[in-house]
Amino acid sequence: NAGVMQNPRHLVRRRGQEARLRCSPMKGHSHVYWYRQLPEEGLKFMVYLQKENIIDESGMPKERFSAEFPKEGPSILRIQQVVRGDSAAYFCASSRPQGRTEQYFGPGTRLTVT
Amino acid sequence: AQSVAQPEDQVNVAEGNPLTVKCTYSVSGNPYLFWYVQYPNRGLQFLLKYITGDNLVKGSYGFEAEFNKSQTSFHLKKPSALVSDSALYFCAVRVETNAGKSTFGDGTTLTVKP
Repeated sequence: NAGVMQNPRHLVRRRGQEARLRCSPMKGHSHVYWYRQLPEEGLKFMVYLQKENIIDESGMPKERFSAEFPKEGPSILRIQQVVRGDSAAYFCASSRPQGRTEQYFGPGTRLTVT
Repeated sequence: AQSVAQPEDQVNVAEGNPLTVKCTYSVSGNPYLFWYVQYPNRGLQFLLKYITGDNLVKGSYGFEAEFNKSQTSFHLKKPSALVSDSALYFCAVRVETNAGKSTFGDGTTLTVKP
């Protein structure tokens, strides 16, 4: 029973390039969340998605960031024209349909912008 | 708005001694409360949750937490700490009516010394 999978685990991009982070939720989970963790800081909520729907994107920067969770395939967090301040660990979590459930986290993608 | 405070950045205890990691919260409505643990270069792992019922909840690895509504607290405890408990601990809150969006504290680094 595989857990939440994220790839790549490490990603290096030059300033101005695009970063694509992938997340496959646990089997049976239809809800996906993305968080960002900056060095020496806690987790910051970015976006909450269900299949083909963005439920809450209140934590997403207004520009350059987008997320999707298509009917088929993994959830994608896309960062266009990366800047050094985007360097962070990005964690994906998934859960069963909301209620009283906890979230299950992936191992994270560590993005480094050079 | 919902918020979580973990007032201690760092907690140090000796192996075999009891440990407490503090968490207070602020929400409008009934809270769902969670504790997660993060080991270096790993994603978060769920430890325990309070949804309703008994104020004392027991979780993984011998951890427990007590929900105190009057003090709006949900402190994490363990009667006898192990060196292997050394990690980063996060408290999180979600309001039952706020589907999806969990707010995390900034984390507390627990160090257990032999």
